Formats: sequence, C-alpha cells, structure tokens
Amino acid sequence: DAGVTQSPTHLIKTRGQQVTLRCSPKSGHDTVSWYQQALGQGPQFIFQYYEEEERQRGNFPDRFSGHQFPNYSSELNVNALLLGDSALYLCASSLSSAPRVQHFGDGTRLSIL
Amino acid sequence: AQSVTQPDIHITVSEGASLELRCNYSYGATPYLFWYVQSPGQGLQLLLKYFSGDTLVQGIKGFEAEFKRSQSSFNLRKPSVHWSDAAEYFCAVGKITGGFKTIFGAGTRLFVKA
Repeated sequence: DAGVTQSPTHLIKTRGQQVTLRCSPKSGHDTVSWYQQALGQGPQFIFQYYEEEERQRGNFPDRFSGHQFPNYSSELNVNALLLGDSALYLCASSLSSAPRVQHFGDGTRLSIL
Repeated sequence: AQSVTQPDIHITVSEGASLELRCNYSYGATPYLFWYVQSPGQGLQLLLKYFSGDTLVQGIKGFEAEFKRSQSSFNLRKPSVHWSDAAEYFCAVGKITGGFKTIFGAGTRLFVKA
C-alpha cells in the first residue's frame, strides 16, 4: 500500500518562472493539504483540497494555487517565483472521516536561482 | 491565534542518556497535539499524538509525551537515546475550522554524541 508520493523530488527554477508540483495521496485518502517548509523552519500550511475544491487556506499570496483531481491527486502551482519561495513543499493526505491523522510525503525540494 | 513554541533550537545528548524536548502551545480549545520527526531530506513521520484521555501517550521508537493542560505543554521524552534518533523534531497542534490543519513549531534539532 503506497503512502503519499510527491513529484518531482527536486526542482530548480529561476525567478519569475512558474512551477507545478504533484501529489498522490495515500490509497483511500480523499483530502490533500500542502505545506511549505523553509530552511530551518517548521512547515507552514498553504491550503487544503477536498472534493476538488479549496476548503481552507493559510496566509499565502494568490501566486500559490492548487487543484485536486477526481482521483484525489493534487497539484500545487506557484507563479512568478521569488527567491523566498525556495523551500521543501510537503503534501499530506487524510480521510475526511478522520481528518486529524495526516500522512506526509517526502516533499519536493524547490530551489529558486 | 494558535501557536506552538519549541524553546530549544538544538539539543545535544550522549547516546544512552535520557531526552526531553520541550513544547508549549497556545490554543483556546482542547488541543490536538502531535510530535513529528524529520530526518535530513525526508518528510515528516508521526511519533505520537494526543487527542483526549490519558495524558501520558506512548509513541513509536520508544518515545512518550505528557500533556499538561495547566502548563500548556506537551513535552517529548525518551529514556535512552540512540544515535539513530538524531533528527529534527517538530511539535504541532491541530486545528479544526472548516477542515483540519496543523500548526507546527519551529523544530528542535537533536544531536547525539557517542
């Protein structure tokens, strides 16, 4: 039973570019959350998707957007990349019936040059 | 606003010694509390969680934590540290508002010396 999988593992972009990160939730999970973890900090909540809609959002600008597909997988899109967007992006999945237990993927390391 | 404070940025302990990592939270209602561990280049692994009931919770890898409401604390302990325990440890509080999100502390880096 595969856990949460994220792709790519690493990514290098330049300022102003756009990036798309992908997440496949743990089998049977229907809710996906995204977190940003800057170097030396704890993860910060970006947003959560359920039933293909954004259910709640953290304090991130509109440059950060997402999508959830019918198979529950999700994408995180970031436009107009800034140096400060360099971070580890973590995806977490959960069951809507048991939301308090989240399973995390290994993350995508995004570096902005 | 909800917040989590981990007062120690890093801690060094000798292998075989006991460990306690501190965590204080700020949350108006009954908190859902977690400890996660993160090895370099890895995601987060759940060590243990507290939702209700017995305030002393047991987790994986020999870790335990105690919820103290009066002190707003949820400290993580291990009686004997192994070299493989060297990692970053995050305390977190869960919040339900139209969904569920986790608020993390800044983390404590554990170094283990031989």
